[in-house]
Amino acid sequence: AQSVTQLGSHVSVSEGALVLLRCNYSSSVPPYLFWYVQYPNQGLQLLLKYTSAATLVKGINDFEAEFKKSETSFHLTKPSAHMSDAAEYFCAVSSGGYQKVTFGTGTKLQVIP
Amino acid sequence: DADVTQTPRNRITKTGKRIMLECSQTKGHDRMYWYRQDPGLGLRLIYYSFDVKDINKGEISDGYSVSRQAQAKFSLSLESAIPNQTALYFCATSDLGDKGGYTFGSGTRLTVV
Repeated sequence: AQSVTQLGSHVSVSEGALVLLRCNYSSSVPPYLFWYVQYPNQGLQLLLKYTSAATLVKGINDFEAEFKKSETSFHLTKPSAHMSDAAEYFCAVSSGGYQKVTFGTGTKLQVIP
Repeated sequence: DADVTQTPRNRITKTGKRIMLECSQTKGHDRMYWYRQDPGLGLRLIYYSFDVKDINKGEISDGYSVSRQAQAKFSLSLESAIPNQTALYFCATSDLGDKGGYTFGSGTRLTVV
């Protein structure tokens, strides 16, 4: 079985501040992990993914995430928030080769001017 | 043109009516998925298909059916719509070699009154 827990359904940061969105996973086998972003009235867009290579993964728009096996975490960070980062972010996990993906419940990021 | 196209984008239907949501893709991916999104619940898998002859139920398939008409087309039907099927529906595709990264359509917002 696999699952994802996103801590915090809403996160607010000031423009220029560090963005930290938390994700913890559970998987019986080495997982693949993903972060997706959803802008209003749009579908989900892949932000970055971990597929057992480097533990620090860089994605689009200066986002990055670090896979920490000991903490079963895959937190998303960005050094400096922009207004355009306001969106909903989903963490997701896939176990094994059959590629069924389980999504977290999402975190809405608000960026305050 | 979008890689994954969903039609219609918005639909209002009455309780008891049959409705079909359509998805087509130009990615050439074998694997296609239908998810529904509800506020606070994230995305939940309804059905998935790994090729034209393979159809599988997801975690919330009751009240839904699907048809994989071709590699590029995967439709979702609500046989008799009910108000708690009001949601945002997403189609997604993936490639075996993509280790689980999905390409999403823009979604269909369905309201059952």
